[in-house]
Amino acid sequence: GAGVSQSPSNKVTEKGKDVELRCDPISGHTALYWYRQSLGQGLEFLIYFQGNSAPDKSGLPSDRFSAERTGGSVSTLTIQRTQQEDSAVYLCASSLSVGQGQNEQFFGPGTRLTVL
Amino acid sequence: AQSVSQHNHHVILSEAASLELGCNYSYGGTVNLFWYVQYPGQHLQLLLKYFSGDPLVKGIKGFEAEFIKSKFSFNLRKPSVQWSDTAEYFCAVNGNNAGNMLTFGGGTRLMVKP
Repeated sequence: GAGVSQSPSNKVTEKGKDVELRCDPISGHTALYWYRQSLGQGLEFLIYFQGNSAPDKSGLPSDRFSAERTGGSVSTLTIQRTQQEDSAVYLCASSLSVGQGQNEQFFGPGTRLTVL
Repeated sequence: AQSVSQHNHHVILSEAASLELGCNYSYGGTVNLFWYVQYPGQHLQLLLKYFSGDPLVKGIKGFEAEFIKSKFSFNLRKPSVQWSDTAEYFCAVNGNNAGNMLTFGGGTRLMVKP
């Protein structure tokens, strides 16, 4: 497809379980971003990748959160030992590059995570 | 650190009314500014963006926004709204020295009554 895709679209899990969320960026986009959208916190930046490296991990809420990107394409966001406060919509975006913040970020449809 | 404030959380208008949604940001340097829209059940889409040059930017669907540097504002406007404009609108900022992260405002839910 032409846009950013994310899977699964919905994920329901039990507290304490680990989850993996996947993002496929637009082909040719070198930069990839993860955000979280929740009722209490709005849209929060989590992490971004330039190629396979993540220069800034300061947005990750806790050490239970990690992300990786391989081959400069697909990225996975992993949440270990999920908590109820992790319930949110996790959004992925990609842009052509990270040229001084001037590149438009295209968003995927998100993964709605519900932790019971 | 950069921050964005959207003062209107919910706006209800009738069709053909004019729209202005407020957005103020806080950042000490050069900024890039964006308005995104999220229609019901759909993902975030870019409405318009400001990088440099003419502070009045035109976007899709008849929207425009004006960057007023002295007021740290980037308000979104549309002269005549339609029912199909019902959506949530997010203002976002990226400071040139703040990496590539977007900082979003809290969003404004717009309902247009037919």
